[in-house]
Amino acid sequence: ETGVTQTPRHLVMGMTNKKSLKCEQHLGHNAMYWYKQSAKKPLELMFVYNFKEQTENNSVPSRFSPECPNSSHLFLHLHTLQPEDSALYLCASSQVGGGPQETQYFGPGTRLLVL
Amino acid sequence: AQSVTQLGSHVSVSEGALVLLRCNYSSSVPPYLFWYVQYPNQGLQLLLKYTSAATLVKGINGFEAEFKKSETSFHLTKPSAHMSDAAEYFCAVSTDAGGTSYGKLTFGQGTILTVHP
Repeated sequence: ETGVTQTPRHLVMGMTNKKSLKCEQHLGHNAMYWYKQSAKKPLELMFVYNFKEQTENNSVPSRFSPECPNSSHLFLHLHTLQPEDSALYLCASSQVGGGPQETQYFGPGTRLLVL
Repeated sequence: AQSVTQLGSHVSVSEGALVLLRCNYSSSVPPYLFWYVQYPNQGLQLLLKYTSAATLVKGINGFEAEFKKSETSFHLTKPSAHMSDAAEYFCAVSTDAGGTSYGKLTFGQGTILTVHP
């Protein structure tokens, strides 16, 4: 595997379910990100992890719970979601130290549908 | 605070015609600017980025963009469109304002490019 991978690619869940999204990067990066891409809205940054420590949480509801066990893996745990949470969830990674000009590399995303 | 505005949610061109996708930014400090492309059912791929070196930036697949500080713009162009250019394009900005060692991207709404034969 190369680059940034995400599983599953598609997920349908009920509002009472618990599921997890997984992201893995094979680029040796130390920063990882979760973004939400909804129809007709700009990509929204949800969380940032820098060397496994959460450094950004953009007022994301607690029904989304991120986990970063190491610099290569990032999870997004989902529980009691709402239909408006249906979206494409994108994971990205970047090198740390180069600052805001560092390129972020994106995975293919998980298409989530909440019924 | 930083923001990005992409003028035109849909742009349609003929194959071989000039592609021009518009991006204007707002930032109180010098920006770093990015153009990403998203093909159907795929993630975002970097086309090019401006990092305060040359104002004319060349990217992949024949695309380029020019940073114009006076106009707060970073428009994306390609001299001759190809069918394979059909995709959604996103302009994004990040700055040093947060003092972080990583990027915090703010994206525009995206522009869907359609290429007609």
